[in-house]
Amino acid sequence: GAVVSQHPSWVICKSGTSVKIECRSLDFQATTMFWYRQFPKQSLMLMATSNEGSKATYEQGVEKDKFLINHASLTLSTLTVTSAHPEDSSFYICSAFRPAGEKLFFGSGTQLSVL
Amino acid sequence: QKEVEQNSGPLSVPEGAIASLNCTYSDRGSQSFFWYRQYSGKSPELIMFIYSNGDKEDGRFTAQLNKASQYVSLLIRDSQPSDSATYLCAVNIGAGGGNKLTFGTGTQLKVEL
Repeated sequence: GAVVSQHPSWVICKSGTSVKIECRSLDFQATTMFWYRQFPKQSLMLMATSNEGSKATYEQGVEKDKFLINHASLTLSTLTVTSAHPEDSSFYICSAFRPAGEKLFFGSGTQLSVL
Repeated sequence: QKEVEQNSGPLSVPEGAIASLNCTYSDRGSQSFFWYRQYSGKSPELIMFIYSNGDKEDGRFTAQLNKASQYVSLLIRDSQPSDSATYLCAVNIGAGGGNKLTFGTGTQLKVEL
C-alpha cells in the first residue's frame, strides 16, 4: 500500500481563495518532507523542504508568503497556496524521506486548477 | 548546463526489446542516483536506486552507474506496453547534499505492440 498519502487528489477553486494540501507518511516518521510542482510535460521542480518543528526552506524564486508550509508533526506536512491565481494551476506532489533504507516516497499528487 | 540531463524522447521500442534510458549529471560529488517511473497524471514511483559504480539488477531492470563519466542509465529487458511511461532520473546533488533530489526532465518511453 501507499506509504505517503496526499489529499486532496484534485481541487478546483476560484481565483483569490486559499487551498490546503496535506501530506502524511503512513508507516514511518518523516523528519523531512519535500514539496514539488510539476507543469504539463515538465519535470518536478522542488519548491521547498519541510522540516519537522522548524521553518521550511524554500527554493529560489518560490514565494514563502504565498506557499505556506507547516510540518507540525513527524507524519504530517501541509502546503497552503494562498490567494491562488490561474498561474498557480499545476500538479503539486509531496514526498517524504524514510530514513530506513534512505528512500524517498511520493504522495499521489494534487491537481490544482484555479479558475 | 543543466544539473541532470535526459533526452526527452519519445523513445519507441517494440514489445520484448530492451529499452535503454540515459542520464548525465554535472556534479561530481553526487552520491545517490535514482530512477522513477511516472505515468501521465500520476506521481513518480521509485524503480531503482544505485550508489556504487557498476550494474545493479532488479528483475527486468538494470541500473548502470559510471561516476567517472557522470553517467547513469536504466535498462529495461523484455519491454512491455505497461512500461510505457516517463522515466525520471534523479540525483542527490553534491556530497552531503542531504535528501534533496534534483530531477531530470524525463524520457518518455513508448513500448509498441
